[in-house]
Amino acid sequence: KAGVTQTPRYLIKTRGQQVTLSCSPISGHRSVSWYQQTPGQGLQFLFEYFSETQRNKGNFPGRFSGRQFSNSRSEMNVSTLELGDSALYLCASSLAMRLAGPTSYEQYFGPGTRLTVT
Amino acid sequence: DAKTTQPPSMDCAEGRAANLPCNHSTISGNEYVYWYRQIHSQGPQYIIHGLKNNETNEMASLIITEDRKSSTLILPHATLRDTAVYYCIVSLHSGYALNFGKGTSLLVTP
Repeated sequence: KAGVTQTPRYLIKTRGQQVTLSCSPISGHRSVSWYQQTPGQGLQFLFEYFSETQRNKGNFPGRFSGRQFSNSRSEMNVSTLELGDSALYLCASSLAMRLAGPTSYEQYFGPGTRLTVT
Repeated sequence: DAKTTQPPSMDCAEGRAANLPCNHSTISGNEYVYWYRQIHSQGPQYIIHGLKNNETNEMASLIITEDRKSSTLILPHATLRDTAVYYCIVSLHSGYALNFGKGTSLLVTP
């Protein structure tokens, strides 16, 4: 089974521009989460989508947005880029199927998109 | 979600068992303990998770104390490829919004 894929792998943008990153989850996975990783802040949760609906959102400004399509593929968009947005953006997918009792499911991460803002 | 405390770094000799501790004293009854690792420049990799009982899979073993306030991840025979940052995460909503924290940087030496 193919893993989580993210495109592009590397991206260089200029301040003020916008960028769209893409994530294709593992086949059958309905949940897609996005994370930002920087040396200073570590791995931080951005948002999660399940069946085309955003279920949870981290503490990021409104410039960060996302969406999920009916085939579970997801995109995230960052508008008006700032130097501080330079980071590794990671996408993760999971089955998100509720088992008996508390919910339990692991996430599978893609290789990430390395965004550099100059 | 409950907060976790891990040592910032650990060393382990190749072939020996690596025991990575994690404290999660505020864990609630229906929160799971998850372990992920991240090898340099790669996306995090799921290792194992548990609720109350000890768990074992092909990668590692997870030992959770009876009061569930701490746990230990055991890599039985560490190899150089196990050098990575290991994250202990306690989460109810485990499918998303994981709080990775700082993790433990494990260095496996020859």
